[in-house]
Amino acid sequence: GNSVTQMEGPVTLSEEAFLTINCTYTATGYPSLFWYVQYPGEGLQLLLKATKADDKGSNKGFEATYRKETTSFHLEKGSVQVSDSAVYFCALSDASGGYQKVTFGTGTKLQVIP
Amino acid sequence: DAGVIQSPRHEVTEMGQEVTLRCKPISGHDYLFWYRQTMMRGLELLIYFNNNVPIDDSGMPEDRFSAKMPNASFSTLKIQPSEPRDSAVYFCASSTGQGKNEQFFGPGTRLTVL
Repeated sequence: GNSVTQMEGPVTLSEEAFLTINCTYTATGYPSLFWYVQYPGEGLQLLLKATKADDKGSNKGFEATYRKETTSFHLEKGSVQVSDSAVYFCALSDASGGYQKVTFGTGTKLQVIP
Repeated sequence: DAGVIQSPRHEVTEMGQEVTLRCKPISGHDYLFWYRQTMMRGLELLIYFNNNVPIDDSGMPEDRFSAKMPNASFSTLKIQPSEPRDSAVYFCASSTGQGKNEQFFGPGTRLTVL
């Protein structure tokens, strides 16, 4: 079955530091890959996505590149802000679920301190 | 659009009581998902619907849980009887079903079973 593995948290960074959250996946076929973000007390919301190999998703200064050869989709940001403090979920969907059923990772909590 | 609407936002009940959680998806979305989020197990897909029909309920933990979608604008998740281990945040999400698209999450219902 499909699975998503992401780095354990929490991750604590100082403001303006570089962020990397690792994500690797196992899937049959050619999945679409996502990063969702969950702010305290809220539901998840899509941060970025990539639908085919070598695609780069980007939004709000965050980036992730779909690497089929390493089955990875690592999230990066060059300079984090306190407002980026949240839980980040890597996720995938593929044809086995009609591209509608999404498999989520366990989430990585990011805390940015001033 | 108002987004996905869930009610109640918080529910506190005693063990053995019936609990009903409600969800209104985004108008025009054909897919509706129910998730449960806990610290121990992370985010779990319980069930999802397409055009009001349940497609996959393999994540429903046991017979105490049931979900219905009587029309395109309303769904319920019912727990009867409730147990303390059901305490969690329950999210509803919807999507258009067009291509490899995103899911839109509601704010969640925090359920506490005493």
